[in-house]
Amino acid sequence: SQQGEEDPQALSIQEGENATMNCSYKTSINNLQWYRQNSGRGLVHLILIRSNEREKHSGRLRVTLDTSKKSSSLLITASRAADTASYFCATDAGAAGNKLTFGGGTRVLVKP
Amino acid sequence: DGGITQSPKYLFRKEGQNVTLSCEQNLNHDAMYWYRQDPGQGLRLIYYSQIVNDFQKGDIAEGYSVSREKKESFPLTVTSAQKNPTAFYLCASARGNTGELFFGEGSRLTVL
Repeated sequence: SQQGEEDPQALSIQEGENATMNCSYKTSINNLQWYRQNSGRGLVHLILIRSNEREKHSGRLRVTLDTSKKSSSLLITASRAADTASYFCATDAGAAGNKLTFGGGTRVLVKP
Repeated sequence: DGGITQSPKYLFRKEGQNVTLSCEQNLNHDAMYWYRQDPGQGLRLIYYSQIVNDFQKGDIAEGYSVSREKKESFPLTVTSAQKNPTAFYLCASARGNTGELFFGEGSRLTVL
């Protein structure tokens, strides 16, 4: 079974609006990462948040982590049509080999 | 420019045939990974390698094989024992235990 589960599975918003997606996981982690995937392409790393961090920003991205609830959220502010993609959370549970476990993703459609 | 190159981008295979997907990186990364992605799904780990001449099974290794004879290369063979090989295959690399994965553009395998 997958460690991370994203919610919602799909999201449709207008350009300029904010997009929020959530990720829940089951076991303790070292860090949690968010990736973006354009249709038919490879994944691109967006942001990494460590287990001792609660919030992190990168440009228009804001990630929060609540280890007590085993959940994380990704906020994209002032969305653009180019933000249309699938977004995945991935957890590093600290096992040898830097093995990441990916969730099923949130498909985001930003309408111009 | 540094990066990960996967080839071929598209591959068609008849049932009963083995096929090999190529993954080459010039990032000087120690760790390399193979993931499988099914339509609308997240990524599942097939095999990973932390160092040359060493590799470990991931969550869905059955029907697959790998080698790591060179630091730059981590080819994946999809054998005839893999019952449902049609999928999108993604190769990734990481520098030690930094956490961030760098992905190739993927190889889409279709069994006819």
